[in-house]
Amino acid sequence: DSGVTQTPKHLITATGQRVTLRCSPRSGDLSVYWYQQSLDQGLQFLIQYYNGEERAKGNILERFSAQQFPDLHSELNLSSLELGDSALYFCASSYFVAGELFFGEGSRLTVL
Amino acid sequence: GIQVEQSPPDLILQEGANSTLRCNFSDSVNNLQWFHQNPWGQLINLFYIPSGTKQNGRLSATTVATERYSLLYISSSQTTDSGVYFCAVPAQGGSEKLVFGKGTKLTVNP
Repeated sequence: DSGVTQTPKHLITATGQRVTLRCSPRSGDLSVYWYQQSLDQGLQFLIQYYNGEERAKGNILERFSAQQFPDLHSELNLSSLELGDSALYFCASSYFVAGELFFGEGSRLTVL
Repeated sequence: GIQVEQSPPDLILQEGANSTLRCNFSDSVNNLQWFHQNPWGQLINLFYIPSGTKQNGRLSATTVATERYSLLYISSSQTTDSGVYFCAVPAQGGSEKLVFGKGTKLTVNP
């Protein structure tokens, strides 16, 4: 158990819908990262927050947004979902910026 | 951007065999991590190893930063070692963004 908690573990929804994925980092970790893993793109960095502030941005679509709350948990919002958004979404946390990453179990999203 | 190449892409072993997985990267890095993704999809930390050698049970890793490669050794492999092994390095300098290789898929047969 990495100490990073993600919910839900599985999610099935339809095209055009909106979903929210939630992540609680390891106790004491200030940085939260979101990654997307799809069969054709591999593991792709989406976005990072540090202590509530956006720190780095990757290949995150405009239809996706995220935030980190004062209690340090984070949410990834995916809207106007398309079939191609089906993937495994991972949250990770670290104590130091650019430090050792610990991943949650992931949220598997299926868009039908 | 930095390129990360892992080899071999696939590896099939009998239980008890040893193996070496390689990770090459195209630029200087100040950290490198190895992960194991098990058949259920979980990504598990193996090593945080910017340089030198570390060991954890049957697994060990060596990073030679000056030559831009890292090796993961698995000894006396077990069926539970099956899965995909990824290495990851920062996109550039002290970047928070990790770039992952495409992984080595390991299958250990009983």
